[in-house]
Amino acid sequence: QQQVKQSPQSLIVQKGGISIINCAYENTAFDYFPWYQQFPGKGPALLIAIRPDVSEKKEGRFTISFNKSAKQFSLHIMDSQPGDSATYFCAGHGSSNTGKLIFGQGTTLQVKP
Amino acid sequence: KAGVTQTPRYLIKTRGQQVTLSCSPISGHRSVSWYQQTPGQGLQFLFEYFSETQRNKGNFPGRFSGRQFSNSRSEMNVSTLELGDSALYLCASSPNLNGGELFFGEGSRLTVL
Repeated sequence: QQQVKQSPQSLIVQKGGISIINCAYENTAFDYFPWYQQFPGKGPALLIAIRPDVSEKKEGRFTISFNKSAKQFSLHIMDSQPGDSATYFCAGHGSSNTGKLIFGQGTTLQVKP
Repeated sequence: KAGVTQTPRYLIKTRGQQVTLSCSPISGHRSVSWYQQTPGQGLQFLFEYFSETQRNKGNFPGRFSGRQFSNSRSEMNVSTLELGDSALYLCASSPNLNGGELFFGEGSRLTVL
Protein backbone atom coordinates (compact mmCIF):
# COMPACT_ATOMS: atom_id res chain seq x y z
CA GLN A 1 0.00 0.00 0.00
CA GLN A 2 3.01 2.23 0.25
CA GLN A 3 4.21 1.94 -3.33
CA VAL A 4 4.48 4.62 -5.96
CA LYS A 5 4.81 3.15 -9.46
CA GLN A 6 6.52 5.27 -12.09
CA SER A 7 6.75 4.86 -15.84
CA PRO A 8 8.47 4.84 -18.21
CA GLN A 9 11.87 3.83 -16.84
CA SER A 10 13.59 5.79 -19.59
CA LEU A 11 12.47 8.34 -22.14
CA ILE A 12 14.07 9.92 -25.18
CA VAL A 13 12.53 13.11 -26.56
CA GLN A 14 13.58 15.50 -29.28
CA LYS A 15 14.34 19.10 -28.36
CA GLY A 16 11.12 21.07 -28.34
CA GLY A 17 8.97 18.02 -27.71
CA ILE A 18 6.78 17.13 -24.75
CA SER A 19 8.07 14.75 -22.10
CA ILE A 20 5.45 12.87 -20.09
CA ILE A 21 6.16 10.79 -17.00
CA ASN A 22 3.41 8.95 -15.17
CA CYS A 23 3.00 7.81 -11.58
CA ALA A 24 0.38 5.81 -9.73
CA TYR A 25 0.03 5.52 -5.98
CA GLU A 26 -1.81 3.21 -3.65
CA ASN A 27 -1.88 4.99 -0.31
CA THR A 28 -4.95 7.20 -0.06
CA ALA A 29 -3.40 8.91 2.98
CA PHE A 30 -0.91 10.67 0.72
CA ASP A 31 -1.63 14.39 0.63
CA TYR A 32 1.43 15.82 -1.08
CA PHE A 33 2.94 14.74 -4.38
CA PRO A 34 6.32 16.24 -5.30
CA TRP A 35 8.49 15.70 -8.32
CA TYR A 36 12.25 15.74 -7.95
CA GLN A 37 14.92 16.25 -10.62
CA GLN A 38 18.34 14.69 -10.18
CA PHE A 39 21.44 15.35 -12.25
CA PRO A 40 24.42 12.94 -12.15
CA GLY A 41 26.51 13.49 -9.04
CA LYS A 42 23.90 15.70 -7.41
CA GLY A 43 21.14 15.17 -4.91
CA PRO A 44 17.48 15.32 -5.94
CA ALA A 45 16.06 18.83 -6.20
CA LEU A 46 12.40 19.67 -5.73
CA LEU A 47 10.94 20.62 -9.10
CA ILE A 48 7.22 21.04 -8.57
CA ALA A 49 4.59 19.62 -6.23
CA ILE A 50 0.83 19.30 -5.97
CA ARG A 51 -1.77 18.59 -3.30
CA PRO A 52 -4.86 16.50 -4.13
CA ASP A 53 -7.29 19.41 -3.86
CA VAL A 54 -6.24 20.63 -7.32
CA SER A 55 -6.16 18.78 -10.64
CA GLU A 56 -3.34 20.68 -12.28
CA LYS A 57 -0.39 22.86 -11.37
CA LYS A 58 1.86 24.67 -13.80
CA GLU A 59 5.23 26.28 -13.21
CA GLY A 60 6.91 27.50 -16.36
CA ARG A 61 7.39 24.57 -18.72
CA PHE A 62 6.52 22.02 -16.03
CA THR A 63 2.96 20.87 -15.33
CA ILE A 64 1.59 18.29 -12.93
CA SER A 65 -1.75 16.70 -13.79
CA PHE A 66 -3.49 14.94 -10.90
CA ASN A 67 -6.35 12.44 -11.04
CA LYS A 68 -7.46 11.67 -7.50
CA SER A 69 -10.09 9.07 -8.41
CA ALA A 70 -7.60 7.10 -10.49
CA LYS A 71 -4.79 7.69 -7.95
CA GLN A 72 -2.52 8.82 -10.75
CA PHE A 73 -0.45 11.90 -11.46
CA SER A 74 1.88 12.88 -14.23
CA LEU A 75 4.62 15.37 -15.07
CA HIS A 76 4.56 17.14 -18.43
CA ILE A 77 7.64 19.00 -19.61
CA MET A 78 6.75 21.29 -22.48
CA ASP A 79 9.33 22.45 -25.04
CA SER A 80 11.85 19.96 -23.63
CA GLN A 81 15.46 21.15 -23.70
CA PRO A 82 18.79 19.25 -23.56
CA GLY A 83 19.33 20.82 -20.13
CA ASP A 84 16.26 18.93 -18.92
CA SER A 85 18.14 15.64 -19.39
CA ALA A 86 18.14 14.16 -15.90
CA THR A 87 16.44 11.53 -13.76
CA TYR A 88 12.98 12.44 -12.50
CA PHE A 89 11.36 10.97 -9.41
CA CYS A 90 7.76 11.26 -8.37
CA ALA A 91 6.89 10.77 -4.70
CA GLY A 92 4.03 10.62 -2.28
CA HIS A 93 3.89 11.94 1.26
CA GLY A 94 1.34 11.65 4.03
CA SER A 95 1.37 14.35 6.68
CA SER A 96 0.96 11.70 9.35
CA ASN A 97 4.14 9.96 8.19
CA THR A 98 6.75 12.53 9.11
CA GLY A 99 9.62 13.11 6.74
CA LYS A 100 9.04 9.96 4.78
CA LEU A 101 8.66 10.36 1.06
CA ILE A 102 7.76 7.25 -0.90
CA PHE A 103 9.57 7.57 -4.21
CA GLY A 104 8.88 6.08 -7.60
CA GLN A 105 11.71 4.18 -9.27
CA GLY A 106 12.73 7.13 -11.43
CA THR A 107 12.67 8.02 -15.11
CA THR A 108 15.84 8.85 -17.00
CA LEU A 109 15.04 11.52 -19.54
CA GLN A 110 17.29 12.26 -22.49
CA VAL A 111 16.46 15.26 -24.65
CA LYS A 112 18.21 15.08 -28.01
CA PRO A 113 19.32 18.35 -29.67
CA LYS B 1 21.35 30.60 2.18
CA ALA B 2 23.70 27.63 2.14
CA GLY B 3 22.20 24.30 1.15
CA VAL B 4 22.40 20.95 2.87
CA THR B 5 26.02 19.94 3.36
CA GLN B 6 27.10 16.33 3.59
CA THR B 7 30.54 14.99 4.46
CA PRO B 8 32.41 13.09 3.34
CA ARG B 9 31.35 13.07 -0.28
CA TYR B 10 33.11 9.82 -1.10
CA LEU B 11 34.46 7.02 1.01
CA ILE B 12 35.63 3.45 0.63
CA LYS B 13 35.36 0.90 3.42
CA THR B 14 35.80 -2.84 3.75
CA ARG B 15 33.29 -5.36 4.98
CA GLY B 16 32.90 -5.42 8.74
CA GLN B 17 34.00 -1.83 9.26
CA GLN B 18 31.73 0.95 10.39
CA VAL B 19 31.12 4.37 8.93
CA THR B 20 29.77 7.70 10.16
CA LEU B 21 28.26 10.23 7.76
CA SER B 22 27.55 13.83 8.65
CA CYS B 23 24.86 16.27 7.56
CA SER B 24 24.43 19.99 8.17
CA PRO B 25 20.89 21.11 7.31
CA ILE B 26 19.85 24.43 5.85
CA SER B 27 19.99 27.11 8.50
CA GLY B 28 16.72 27.20 10.39
CA HIS B 29 15.63 23.74 9.31
CA ARG B 30 14.97 21.49 12.27
CA SER B 31 14.00 18.27 10.52
CA VAL B 32 16.64 16.01 8.99
CA SER B 33 15.85 12.85 7.04
CA TRP B 34 18.20 10.26 5.60
CA TYR B 35 17.68 8.22 2.43
CA GLN B 36 19.63 5.44 0.76
CA GLN B 37 19.83 5.50 -3.02
CA THR B 38 20.84 2.43 -5.03
CA PRO B 39 20.28 1.51 -8.69
CA GLY B 40 18.22 -1.53 -7.72
CA GLN B 41 16.10 -0.22 -4.87
CA GLY B 42 15.93 3.46 -5.75
CA LEU B 43 15.43 5.99 -2.96
CA GLN B 44 14.54 4.43 0.36
CA PHE B 45 13.79 6.22 3.62
CA LEU B 46 16.09 5.46 6.52
CA PHE B 47 14.97 7.75 9.34
CA GLU B 48 13.97 11.27 10.31
CA TYR B 49 15.06 13.38 13.24
CA PHE B 50 13.43 16.47 14.67
CA SER B 51 14.50 18.25 17.85
CA GLU B 52 17.11 15.57 18.53
CA THR B 53 14.47 12.81 18.53
CA GLN B 54 13.97 10.09 15.94
CA ARG B 55 10.43 10.61 14.66
CA ASN B 56 10.19 7.94 12.00
CA LYS B 57 12.22 4.96 10.86
CA GLY B 58 12.34 3.01 7.64
CA ASN B 59 12.70 -0.71 7.14
CA PHE B 60 16.44 -1.08 7.66
CA PRO B 61 18.35 -3.32 10.08
CA GLY B 62 19.59 -2.06 13.41
CA ARG B 63 23.09 -1.65 11.95
CA PHE B 64 21.80 1.65 10.61
CA SER B 65 21.48 4.32 13.25
CA GLY B 66 21.50 8.04 13.53
CA ARG B 67 21.32 10.98 15.82
CA GLN B 68 20.68 14.70 15.77
CA PHE B 69 22.42 17.36 17.77
CA SER B 70 21.01 20.49 19.38
CA ASN B 71 22.16 22.59 16.40
CA SER B 72 20.10 20.30 14.09
CA ARG B 73 23.20 18.74 12.54
CA SER B 74 22.82 15.01 12.10
CA GLU B 75 24.98 11.95 11.76
CA MET B 76 24.18 8.46 10.61
CA ASN B 77 26.21 5.39 11.38
CA VAL B 78 26.36 2.03 9.69
CA SER B 79 28.09 -0.73 11.62
CA THR B 80 29.41 -4.08 10.41
CA LEU B 81 29.33 -2.97 6.79
CA GLU B 82 28.13 -5.38 4.12
CA LEU B 83 28.73 -5.24 0.38
CA GLY B 84 25.07 -4.38 -0.12
CA ASP B 85 25.48 -1.19 1.91
CA SER B 86 27.29 0.38 -1.04
CA ALA B 87 25.04 3.28 -1.98
CA LEU B 88 24.58 7.01 -2.13
CA TYR B 89 23.39 8.22 1.26
CA LEU B 90 21.34 11.37 1.02
CA CYS B 91 20.45 13.76 3.77
CA ALA B 92 17.48 16.07 3.42
CA SER B 93 16.29 18.91 5.60
CA SER B 94 12.90 20.48 6.06
CA PRO B 95 11.82 23.50 8.07
CA ASN B 96 9.03 21.61 9.82
CA LEU B 97 7.99 18.23 11.06
CA ASN B 98 5.37 16.60 8.83
CA GLY B 99 6.60 18.60 5.87
CA GLY B 100 6.94 16.81 2.56
CA GLU B 101 9.10 19.51 1.03
CA LEU B 102 12.60 18.15 1.41
CA PHE B 103 15.86 19.80 0.42
CA PHE B 104 18.54 17.25 -0.36
CA GLY B 105 22.29 17.43 -0.09
CA GLU B 106 24.58 15.99 -2.72
CA GLY B 107 25.06 12.80 -0.79
CA SER B 108 27.85 10.64 0.53
CA ARG B 109 28.92 7.91 -1.88
CA LEU B 110 29.87 4.81 0.14
CA THR B 111 31.66 1.89 -1.49
CA VAL B 112 32.10 -1.28 0.54
CA LEU B 113 34.79 -3.69 -0.70
